[in-house]
Amino acid sequence: DTEVTQTPKHLVMGMTNKKSLKCEQHMGHRAMYWYKQKAKKPPELMFVYSYEKLSINESVPSRFSPECPNSSLLNLHLHALQPEDSALYLCASSSFGVDEQYFGPGTRLTVT
Amino acid sequence: GQNIDQPTEMTATEGAIVQINCTYQTSGFNGLFWYQQHAGEAPTFLSYNVLDGLEEKGRFSSFLSRSKGYSYLLLKELQMKDSASYLCAVRNTGGFKTIFGAGTRLFVKA
Repeated sequence: DTEVTQTPKHLVMGMTNKKSLKCEQHMGHRAMYWYKQKAKKPPELMFVYSYEKLSINESVPSRFSPECPNSSLLNLHLHALQPEDSALYLCASSSFGVDEQYFGPGTRLTVT
Repeated sequence: GQNIDQPTEMTATEGAIVQINCTYQTSGFNGLFWYQQHAGEAPTFLSYNVLDGLEEKGRFSSFLSRSKGYSYLLLKELQMKDSASYLCAVRNTGGFKTIFGAGTRLFVKA
């Protein structure tokens, strides 16, 4: 199984809402990533978890809160987002930091 | 600073060969990746180079010259389904951080 799954596929939320994005992989990968991608732009790294510990936070605003409950799951909690946060949010995993990343299909987020 | 440059767009004909170039300047280097991304979909891994030279994988080949900060992706026997964006990505020495180039949108015409 070389699949990374993400839910939901689409999400529309208001600026006062709280929502969560979920990511799951069963490849035994110990590194998991959150990326943000705007249209016609490359993915931008947000967070990296290594062995369920946060190892990289790319100065992401606190309205984005990552969580790694176990080695297979990665969440991104969203609160008080801004319209400019609308984007495709991609989750990825790798065997370790040195290996290729497998991306999930993404969650297309619209903030109204 | 960190910079990855790729052409914005390229057009090629079905059945032809196309080469997509990538130049990079990064703080530390621990491998270069090529990913394919169709519109509205997630990137998928194509190739990986960490040593100088050519890596071949079916219709796709990737080349790396670390001294020149240069890589290319070669696509042979182009098919219409190869129309996509191709992302060059460089991994930093630390291991986890991968910087993506802006991508090259390839259009394959009949």
